[in-house]
Amino acid sequence: KAGVTQTPRYLIKTRGQQVTLSCSPISGHRSVSWYQQTPGQGLQFLFEYFSETQRNKGNFPGRFSGRQFSNSRSEMNVSTLELGDSALYLCASSFADRGVPYEQYFGPGTRLTVT
Amino acid sequence: AQSVTQLGSHVSVSEGALVLLRCNYSSSVPPYLFWYVQYPNQGLQLLLKYTTGATLVKGINGFEAEFKKSETSFHLTKPSAHMSDAAEYFCAVSDQWNYQLIWGAGTKLIIKP
Repeated sequence: KAGVTQTPRYLIKTRGQQVTLSCSPISGHRSVSWYQQTPGQGLQFLFEYFSETQRNKGNFPGRFSGRQFSNSRSEMNVSTLELGDSALYLCASSFADRGVPYEQYFGPGTRLTVT
Repeated sequence: AQSVTQLGSHVSVSEGALVLLRCNYSSSVPPYLFWYVQYPNQGLQLLLKYTTGATLVKGINGFEAEFKKSETSFHLTKPSAHMSDAAEYFCAVSDQWNYQLIWGAGTKLIIKP
C-alpha cells in the first residue's frame, strides 16, 4: 500500500506571496491532518479534515486554510506569507473510524522557506 | 483535557547503553498511547502503540514501552542504544472519543560513540 505523499517536498517563497501544499493520504483513509513543525515551537496542529469537512482546528490565524476533496486528497493554503511561516509542514492520514484507535501515518513533509 | 509531558528535550546516552525516554500523560478516560520517531528531514513514523490489553508493548527497532496507569506513564525503553537510534521521539495520546492526537514536545535522542 502506498504511503502518504506530499508535494512539493521543498518550496521557497517570498514574503507576501501565497502557497498551496498538497497531500495524498493512504488509500482508504478518510481523515487528513496538517501540522506545522518548527525548531522553536515543535509540532503544532493546524487542522483535520474528514469526509471533506473540517472536524478539528488548531490555533492558527485565518491565513492558514485547507480543504479536502471527495477522493480524500487535501490541500492547505497559506496566504500573505510571513518569515515565521518557514517550517516543515507535515500531513498525516488516518482511518479514523469510530472505535478504532486514532493512529496517524505521516508523509515526508514539505519544507517551506519564506525569504 | 488531555495533555502529554515528555521529560527532557534532549537525552544523551552512550552506544550500547540503556535508552529511557519518559512520557507522562493526563486523560480522564482510558487513553490510547503512541510513540513516534522522526529522523532528520523526514516525517514521523509510528514506533509502537498501546490501545488495550497487555501493558508492555513491543515496537520496531527493539523499542518497547510499558503503560502504567497508576503512574500515568508510558516510558519508552531500549536495552542497548545504536547509533542509528539518533532521532527525535514524540509521545502522543488520544482516546476512543477524540479524533485527534495530543502531542508531547519531543525528545531528541543523542547517541555518543
